[in-house]
Amino acid sequence: GQQVMQIPQYQHVQEGEDFTTYCNSSTTLSNIQWYKQRPGGHPVFLIQLVKSGEVKKQKRLTFQFGEAKKNSSLHITATQTTDVGTYFCAGPEDAGNMLTFGGGTRLMVKP
Amino acid sequence: NAGVTQTPKFRVLKTGQSMTLLCAQDMNHEYMYWYRQDPGMGLRLIHYSVGEGTTAKGEVPDGYNVSRLKKQNFLLGLESAAPSQTSVYFCASSSPFGSVVYEQYFGPGTRLTVT
Repeated sequence: GQQVMQIPQYQHVQEGEDFTTYCNSSTTLSNIQWYKQRPGGHPVFLIQLVKSGEVKKQKRLTFQFGEAKKNSSLHITATQTTDVGTYFCAGPEDAGNMLTFGGGTRLMVKP
Repeated sequence: NAGVTQTPKFRVLKTGQSMTLLCAQDMNHEYMYWYRQDPGMGLRLIHYSVGEGTTAKGEVPDGYNVSRLKKQNFLLGLESAAPSQTSVYFCASSSPFGSVVYEQYFGPGTRLTVT
């Protein structure tokens, strides 16, 4: 079945440093979604990318979808303590009604 | 709108006991899901439902059963709890319609400990 891998698994950064997490799928995806889970919380949807090569920005967060639609990245510029949490990417199964989640990247920010 | 709610929030079971986790959503979503998340791990799909009266197995279905008798509710049952089922359980729902199809809305989670 479809596999979605994320690296790194953990990342410690100093507040103000940049952060990037990468997501790779074993199959071509129709779209990719990103979620954020704060410590002790539940995953919350951030964004969906649909088009090959698509780039979307949300304030300091930049999301990219690869040209081959098999990989994606999330880049945070000048991290803040509010960015702490685990970031998951997720791709739909063929029928689209299920998502395969990556293992997540846990971001820790030192003030 | 309450979104997705889960009850209970916490539960401690002894090995062999049974329990049912309730998930309710008020967004009229067709699809509902049950995931488990172990410490420091990702989300693993247990069972899901694409409509009232239908259920299907996910990645890790063993030891669990589900039912969706009403569109807004999705129940997860543990017939004979085992320590390996200690985890945080999340329910989610989604719809094939809207600006972001299949965006999943998660409940707050149920923290289950089996001793």
